[in-house]
Amino acid sequence: GENVEQHPSTLSVQEGDSAVIKCTYSDSASNYFPWYKQELGKRPQLIIDIRSNVGEKKDQRIAVTLNKTAKHFSLHITETQPEDSAVYFCAAKNYGGSQGNLIFGKGTKLSVKP
Amino acid sequence: ETGVTQTPRHLVMGMTNKKSLKCEQHLGHNAMYWYKQSAKKPLELMFVYNFKEQTENNSVPSRFSPECPNSSHLFLHLHTLQPEDSALYLCASRLAGGADTQYFGPGTRLTVL
Repeated sequence: GENVEQHPSTLSVQEGDSAVIKCTYSDSASNYFPWYKQELGKRPQLIIDIRSNVGEKKDQRIAVTLNKTAKHFSLHITETQPEDSAVYFCAAKNYGGSQGNLIFGKGTKLSVKP
Repeated sequence: ETGVTQTPRHLVMGMTNKKSLKCEQHLGHNAMYWYKQSAKKPLELMFVYNFKEQTENNSVPSRFSPECPNSSHLFLHLHTLQPEDSALYLCASRLAGGADTQYFGPGTRLTVL
């Protein structure tokens, strides 16, 4: 089945700097890769996703890149702000089951210092 | 947000108690999920329901019993739990056959004494 590794587990940056979180996956058949943001005490919320037919997707200060050959994808946050502080989870859609389920990484706790 | 709701938000129970968690989605979705979120662990998929039928049981102990009476409601019945079952239990829903995006509820913080 699918296995998703996420690094780093914690990341601290100064406000205004960029932050990069990386994930690797094992199943080459996976074709959907979402990123979720979970603020303290709140639910995970989708912030951006990418499919395997594109290599990069941007939404304002957030971008995701995908390297299918190497089986890794990354989240890039530019001009970080204190409100970006949260736990970020990557996921890959595993088609091992009948409908395909999301397999999540362990999460990265991002702290943005003002 | 009111798309996916969960009750109760917090629950404390003893190991001999029986309780139930409830999830309701108002998004017109037809696939629902239970996840367990523990400290320093990834989100663990527990159960999947598609069109009210359970399509996945991810090796979950029988002390957790799901129920999906219709596409909008999902329950997780709990009995004789262990302290290590203390965690945040998240429900999610998706439109099967449509977008892959899963929408999460706020979760139930469960503490087993």
